[in-house]
Amino acid sequence: SAVISQKPSRDICQRGTSLTIQCQVDSQVTMMFWYRQQPGQSLTLIATANQGSEATYESGFVIDKFPISRPNLTFSTLTVSNMSPEDSSIYLCSVPKTQTDYGYTFGSGTRLTVV
Amino acid sequence: TQLLEQSPQFLSIQEGENLTVYCNSSSVFSSLQWYRQEPGEGPVLLVTVVTGGEVKKLKRLTFQFGDARKDSSLHITAAQPGDTGLYLCAGAGGRGGSNYKLTFGKGTLLTVNP
Repeated sequence: SAVISQKPSRDICQRGTSLTIQCQVDSQVTMMFWYRQQPGQSLTLIATANQGSEATYESGFVIDKFPISRPNLTFSTLTVSNMSPEDSSIYLCSVPKTQTDYGYTFGSGTRLTVV
Repeated sequence: TQLLEQSPQFLSIQEGENLTVYCNSSSVFSSLQWYRQEPGEGPVLLVTVVTGGEVKKLKRLTFQFGDARKDSSLHITAAQPGDTGLYLCAGAGGRGGSNYKLTFGKGTLLTVNP
């Protein structure tokens, strides 16, 4: 299974600023996924990052707020723009394990606090 | 509307006790996955069940997928403090969606006291 390096692991940011989260995978993967895990809530899919094309966003998430880059098959970034305290969450990236195993590997997450 | 209802939300038990966590939905899933998450880490896959009625065992953990592929359960026998963590169920392909998209339950925070 792939190994994901996600950073930063945590950050405290001022409202109105932006934070870019990076995920590096040790193997090439076609699809990468970005999730948000709010306190006391389940993981919610933000978007699917595809190499060579724009990310596909889920209902309630827009590109202006969460721009995503996918420059190659091993790397992706998620930016949380113009942050407010409501954006305080854990953000996670994930990739499929293999085509025969339906599970996913997750990064260790970025705990974001907006003050 | 929560697509996957997971219960209980919190569970605190003594070492050696048994427990069951439930994951229920009105939707059919192509597969259902169980993850365990520890503080400061991402979820780690425990098992994937694909066939209705399927039962999988992982040491002291037993996972079952309902016949109609709408629900699942996780049973832990003789729980140990090392089992402490957040257990998450996640369904793939619900409501006719892509099999790549996961819908997560809210999770069960399990604490096993020595």
